[in-house]
Amino acid sequence: EVQVVDSGGGLVQPGGSRRLSCVASGFSPYAMSWVRQAPGKGLEWVAGISANGAYTNYAGSVKGRFIISRDNSKNTVYLQMSSLTAEDTAVYFCAKDRLSASVKVVVYYFDLWGQGTLVTVSP
Amino acid sequence: HSVLTQPPSVSGAPGQTVTISCTGSSSNIGAGFDVHWYQQFPGTAPKLLIYDNNIRPPGVPGRFSGSKSGTSASLTITGLQAEDEVDYYCQSYDTSLSEGVFGTGTKVSVL
Repeated sequence: EVQVVDSGGGLVQPGGSRRLSCVASGFSPYAMSWVRQAPGKGLEWVAGISANGAYTNYAGSVKGRFIISRDNSKNTVYLQMSSLTAEDTAVYFCAKDRLSASVKVVVYYFDLWGQGTLVTVSP
Repeated sequence: HSVLTQPPSVSGAPGQTVTISCTGSSSNIGAGFDVHWYQQFPGTAPKLLIYDNNIRPPGVPGRFSGSKSGTSASLTITGLQAEDEVDYYCQSYDTSLSEGVFGTGTKVSVL
């Protein structure tokens, strides 16, 4: 079955760190992104990584604090989040991109989404 | 803040046609990047509705259509149905920011 399953959310103290994981199955490596949605708000693209992991892009709001990476031997994409603030509280979705080529522009469109994992940053 | 602007809400009676606009700039839609649309039901992940401006994935009803012109794009629902009353987002890429970008989102209401 073709699917992505994201996990790793939870309650984090302000200033703390958290690592999210996204396990993909049923398809060869494609570019992947993390997209978040704060409570009651719209979608915000967070970070993307090319199919072979050579290229990454980040939203300005997380650049320098978040790192996206992947281990294709484990079919897994990670989002390492640090220096978290209340503004990072959101449901984080892992999303499979339609891009199979590894190019510097790592975002095309998203044809498969994980169910989302909630990250709450609070004392 | 989002670089793609959508109306917060649109509404129509069952059977009517509604259009959702997505306004960008010369660094995203106007630069030639394609626009894609997603439908999101409450508490669930977004679902791809339209890709490459006007192409429906398999299983998406024909009442949904998309278009793009200049620095803007539109999603049209022809023959509005009660189950269409959810949120819709446009998405593209911004070359100045080197970021994927989403629209501000539009809630469709069926009167």
